[in-house]
Amino acid sequence: AQSVAQPEDQVNVAEGNPLTVKCTYSVSGNPYLFWYVQYPNRGLQFLLKYITGDNLVKGSYGFEAEFNKSQTSFHLKKPSALVSDSALYFCAVSFPLRKAGSYQLTFGKGTKLSVIP
Amino acid sequence: EAQVTQNPRYLITVTGKKLTVTCSQNMNHEYMSWYRQDPGLGLRQIYYSMNVEVTDKGDVPEGYKVSRKEKRNFPLILESPSPNQTSLYFCASSFGTQLSTDTQYFGPGTRLTVL
Repeated sequence: AQSVAQPEDQVNVAEGNPLTVKCTYSVSGNPYLFWYVQYPNRGLQFLLKYITGDNLVKGSYGFEAEFNKSQTSFHLKKPSALVSDSALYFCAVSFPLRKAGSYQLTFGKGTKLSVIP
Repeated sequence: EAQVTQNPRYLITVTGKKLTVTCSQNMNHEYMSWYRQDPGLGLRQIYYSMNVEVTDKGDVPEGYKVSRKEKRNFPLILESPSPNQTSLYFCASSFGTQLSTDTQYFGPGTRLTVL
């Protein structure tokens, strides 16, 4: 079964320190992986995605993610955290459905990131 | 401005009273979907639509209906709401040409409370 897991409900990091938000996946075939961010009282916003190619993907607001096929992981990283990065982060994986040409995006449960001043 | 809009943003209703949450996108996207977000469960897909008059069930379709009569609109209908449908609802859209890799654009959310 296709699935995505975010093992940490909450991550706390001091401002200026590097941050990592973890994501692991289980997909048959080639994975298409995404990170979205949800700020308070807002909808989800796209951060970055891995389709193919370079394992290190760069996205919005200085975030990047590293695709690791052997560990089936797609951890989100940022070298220096800002207080404004505090939000809820969702990892997602896209996989094909039985109907031809149809795909589904499955989300992890989310990780709340708190950056402490 | 390219966007997905939802109305209403907040709604409190009572069990059994039919309601509709509207969703509209101005990006000419083919693919639209509805999600509900619940604490500890993340986002779960309710229904999706690959184009006009084409809709299909997601992971949690029970108690919901949708329609796609126009490309830009994808309303979510709760014919007889129940308290377990209290949730935060998001509409999303994408171009739909490469569903597997498309970026989803989300609306601001509708917080529904069913008493």
